Amino acid sequence: GEDVEQSLFLSVREGDSSVINCTYTDSSSTYLYWYKQEPGAGLQLLTYIFSNMDMKQDQRLTVLLNKKDKHLSLRIADTQTGDSAIYFCAESMGTDKLIFGTGTRLQVFP
Amino acid sequence: NAGVTQTPKFQVLKTGQSMTLQCAQDMNHEYMSWYRQDPGMGLRLIHYSVGAGITDQGEVPNGYNVSRSTTEDFPLRLLSAAPSQTSVYFCASSYGGGAPDTQYFGPGTRLTVL
Repeated sequence: GEDVEQSLFLSVREGDSSVINCTYTDSSSTYLYWYKQEPGAGLQLLTYIFSNMDMKQDQRLTVLLNKKDKHLSLRIADTQTGDSAIYFCAESMGTDKLIFGTGTRLQVFP
Repeated sequence: NAGVTQTPKFQVLKTGQSMTLQCAQDMNHEYMSWYRQDPGMGLRLIHYSVGAGITDQGEVPNGYNVSRSTTEDFPLRLLSAAPSQTSVYFCASSYGGGAPDTQYFGPGTRLTVL
């Protein structure tokens, strides 16, 4: 079966780094994704990583992939109040079907 | 481009009523899908379509019907609403072929079934 797990909540101080973690069970994933959902809005693709990569950096975002442990993380540097949202990891197996994690609510306080 | 549009934004139904959630895209995307979002459960795939005339079931299809008569539209029908269908529904579309950065989501429909 396919299960993607995340912790439900994360609270960080403004200016600190945030690390959101995700574990998945299907080793045949092709791409792994991070989506952001702001209150009352749809999902916005933040970044993605191909399964044969270990790391991807995109401005304040760093994605780390450990295929052996089936662990994906998203690090947000210099976290701002505008980063407060729900973050979903997702995986796909080379098709457009996405399997989403349970979502992590990130709260940034001043 | 309007992207992916969904109507209505909000809906309240009584148990047993039927309704159709509308989804449209103007990007000529082949692949369209419906997800439901429930607290602590992430998004779960209800139905999807890889092109006009072709639909298939996702993870949680029971109680929902879909059709895809045109490339642009992918309506989701609730035949007899139940309180367990209270959720936020998202439609998504993409070119197809598994490319990683082409999937777009609509703003969602918040449905309450009393």
